[in-house]
Amino acid sequence: ETGVTQTPRHLVMGMTNKKSLKCEQHLGHNAMYWYKQSAKKPLELMFVYSLEERVENNSVPSRFSPECPNSSHLFLHLHTLQPEDSALYLCASSQELSNEQFFGPGTRLTVL
Amino acid sequence: EDQVTQSPEALRLQEGESSSLNCSYTVSGLRGLFWYRQDPGKGPEFLFTLYSAGEEKEKERLKATLTKKESFLHITAPKPEDSATYLCAVQAYEASGSRLTFGEGTQLTVNP
Repeated sequence: ETGVTQTPRHLVMGMTNKKSLKCEQHLGHNAMYWYKQSAKKPLELMFVYSLEERVENNSVPSRFSPECPNSSHLFLHLHTLQPEDSALYLCASSQELSNEQFFGPGTRLTVL
Repeated sequence: EDQVTQSPEALRLQEGESSSLNCSYTVSGLRGLFWYRQDPGKGPEFLFTLYSAGEEKEKERLKATLTKKESFLHITAPKPEDSATYLCAVQAYEASGSRLTFGEGTQLTVNP
């Protein structure tokens, strides 16, 4: 595996389900990010981790819960989501917070 | 608040017809301006970082330029495989140094 990988690529869940998105980076970076991309809207930064510590939480509802167990892995735990949470969820990584970010392919989430 | 506006929203070109995409920005203090390419159903692919007015960078048929208020992505003799959405993002000097503010993108279609 190279670059940034995300699983699953597609996810359909009901409003009462609990699921998790996984991201893994193979670039040796020390910062990781979660973004939300909705149709006709710019990418929205959700969470930022640097050296496994959360450094930014961009007013995201508590039904989204991030976890960064080490510098290569990032999770986004989902519970009791709403239909408006349907979007493409993108993970990214960078070497240091100020450098260019490299994105994974995303998870297309549909909430019924 | 940092803002990024990209124009046009959509652009159709014939193969070989050169053109430019615009990214206008307002930011408290620019650390860097980033260009990405995004294909449908995929994550953004990093293209360029520009740091100061007057800087230029090139990659194949693409050239990015930067002034104090805007950036241009010039596409010379485009090919159908250049069809994608091009995203611009700015990063400001701030405590965390991590936030990227994205524009909504320009959807480019190159017809053969």
